[in-house]
Amino acid sequence: EIVMTQSPATLSVSPGERATLSCRASQSVNINLAWYQQKPGQAPRLLLSGASTRATGIPGRFSASGSGTEFTLTISSLQSEDSAVYYCQQYDHWPPSFGGGTKVEIK
Amino acid sequence: EVQLLESGGDLVQPGRSLRLSCVASGFTFHDSAMHWVRQAPGKGLEWVSGISWRGDVIDYADSVKGRFTISRDNAKSSLFLQMNSLRPEDTALYYCAKPDRDGYWGLGTLVTVSS
Repeated sequence: EIVMTQSPATLSVSPGERATLSCRASQSVNINLAWYQQKPGQAPRLLLSGASTRATGIPGRFSASGSGTEFTLTISSLQSEDSAVYYCQQYDHWPPSFGGGTKVEIK
Repeated sequence: EVQLLESGGDLVQPGRSLRLSCVASGFTFHDSAMHWVRQAPGKGLEWVSGISWRGDVIDYADSVKGRFTISRDNAKSSLFLQMNSLRPEDTALYYCAKPDRDGYWGLGTLVTVSS
């Protein structure tokens, strides 16, 4: 099983500032990496897949990059509604596996 | 519109059984590998089990192996999870999901195991 590691565990950012989240895979997952946003009481919501392709309806301030084992999610100008837990997930290998999540807080 | 609708969650005593169901619509279910993913209260996402589109490839997390059984009915666009010998640590919100580039998830069904 591929182990996904996210950092930091918690990120506190002021509105309008940039937030950068990291995700590392224990072995290459090529670009088969998804990022999810989860707010309290809600199901995970797909933000990006294929390492960098935004899902339908996702604002342009969300972007991602990476391939192989190192990936980054960037929120270019943090809005109050971006307060949530963000998960990375690989779907290159069976079974799919998730990172532990990064909680983004608004300062 | 894609929908995954889970049902079957309940409060049960340790050692009892439950059967979860998920009905899918809005995508080609019969071509899709499907999975169950759970989330314990205040915790992260944990993959539980997955099944290939044809049902010939099945896998389980070690924590549920031998107790849970996944199955599907492509004619009814349905996914199931038979959960036996439930333990308190199985308490979680169980999601039916297609966690690939499409990223389809249901809203989840709550399983609580407690005496």
